[in-house]
Amino acid sequence: AQKITQTQPGMFVQEKEAVTLDCTYDTSDQSYGLFWYKQPSSGEMIFLIYQGSYDEQNATEGRYSLNFQKARKSANLVISASQLGDSAMYFCAMREGMGNTDKLIFGTGTRLQVFP
Amino acid sequence: GAVVSQHPSRVICKSGTSVKIECRSLDFQATTMFWYRQFPKKSLMLMATSNEGSKATYEQGVEKDKFLINHASLTLSTLTVTSAHPEDSSFYICSATPTGGFYEQYFGPGTRLTVT
Repeated sequence: AQKITQTQPGMFVQEKEAVTLDCTYDTSDQSYGLFWYKQPSSGEMIFLIYQGSYDEQNATEGRYSLNFQKARKSANLVISASQLGDSAMYFCAMREGMGNTDKLIFGTGTRLQVFP
Repeated sequence: GAVVSQHPSRVICKSGTSVKIECRSLDFQATTMFWYRQFPKKSLMLMATSNEGSKATYEQGVEKDKFLINHASLTLSTLTVTSAHPEDSSFYICSATPTGGFYEQYFGPGTRLTVT
């Protein structure tokens, strides 16, 4: 079974609009972490946001927010006020366990394209 | 802070030769580093977990004799692709987790390997 599922292979959004990228996960652990990374065409993985399984508040980092719905096992990324520079691949990832030495499992990614 | 470098960024080698890729944490110590492989337009696939001073832990299906990992210091891990073949051509990315850190995992810029 897929641990991390991203059902949107591609998304389009107009500049200055908000967009939601979907991510669902599957784990039986109580302690886990959820991550979103951005990968532009240059290839580097850019950390965007983190949500711990025990965090009650949704994580926010600037224009990025994570809509964490624990019962539904979803961790959608919301990008507000999209910019042309947001065009990239976006990966959702999960770490089972809370230690930073535990491995990350990545979803298949969503390609976001922002148009003027 | 928290910069991870990889060298080389691009390498072309002939079939049958070996190539070494370095992953360095520049401003922090990393007891654990991870090596990923990414095929074009695909997700990151974890190859192995590299622990300083001990043997790497390989994921199922990854040939440990082909992909040699050495984590000789707290700031350097190397991946050697031995007897490379064209099917080994890929984008290899490392990540490092700060010793004693929380959830952080910082990625290197990646190495594009082409085997001719």
